Amino acid sequence: EIVLTQSPGTLSLSPGERATLSCRASQSVSSSYLAWYHQKPGQAPRLLIYGASSRATGIPDRFSGSGSGTDFTLTISRLEPEDFAVYYCQQYGSSLWTFGQGTKVEIK
Amino acid sequence: EVQVVESGGGLVQPGGSLRLSCAASGFTFSSYWMHWVRQAPGKGLVWVSRINSDENSTSYADSVKGRFTISRDNAKNTLYLQMNSLRAEDTAVYYCARGSWHFDCWGQGTLVTVSS
Repeated sequence: EIVLTQSPGTLSLSPGERATLSCRASQSVSSSYLAWYHQKPGQAPRLLIYGASSRATGIPDRFSGSGSGTDFTLTISRLEPEDFAVYYCQQYGSSLWTFGQGTKVEIK
Repeated sequence: EVQVVESGGGLVQPGGSLRLSCAASGFTFSSYWMHWVRQAPGKGLVWVSRINSDENSTSYADSVKGRFTISRDNAKNTLYLQMNSLRAEDTAVYYCARGSWHFDCWGQGTLVTVSS
């Protein structure tokens, strides 16, 4: 089973700042099978990025994904108030799906 | 509007059983793989199970294999999760999600609490 490790655990930033979130896999992951979600308190997760770098429907272009192999990154170019949430990466491999433990982006 | 709505959660004793349902609407349900994902209180997301579009292939996380059964009724646009031999560690919000390699539509979840 591929383990995904996200860092940092918590990111304290101000609105307007740039956020860079990391997701590292224990084995190589196909870029086609790497996705990012965010989840606000009391809500379901929402798909942001799939295929490592493709934005999901309705996701603003301040969100971007990059990476390959074992290292992937989600970047939020300028944080808006609604972006403060928990972010998860997720991968598919060998008929199993796994999530990272999450990165909380909080208001500084 | 594309949506999925879970139901069937509740309080159950350890060793008991529960069946969750997920009603889909706004899309061709029979064309999509479907999944269950759970989230224990204050914890992260954990994938539980998947069923392919024509019901003939399933997969499970090791933690639920042999206890949980995923199924679907494409005529009723409904996904199910039969949960047997429930344990305290199965306590979580259970989400129904659509997708193959990633999950592009999620329900609001249904809470399952396993406690005596």
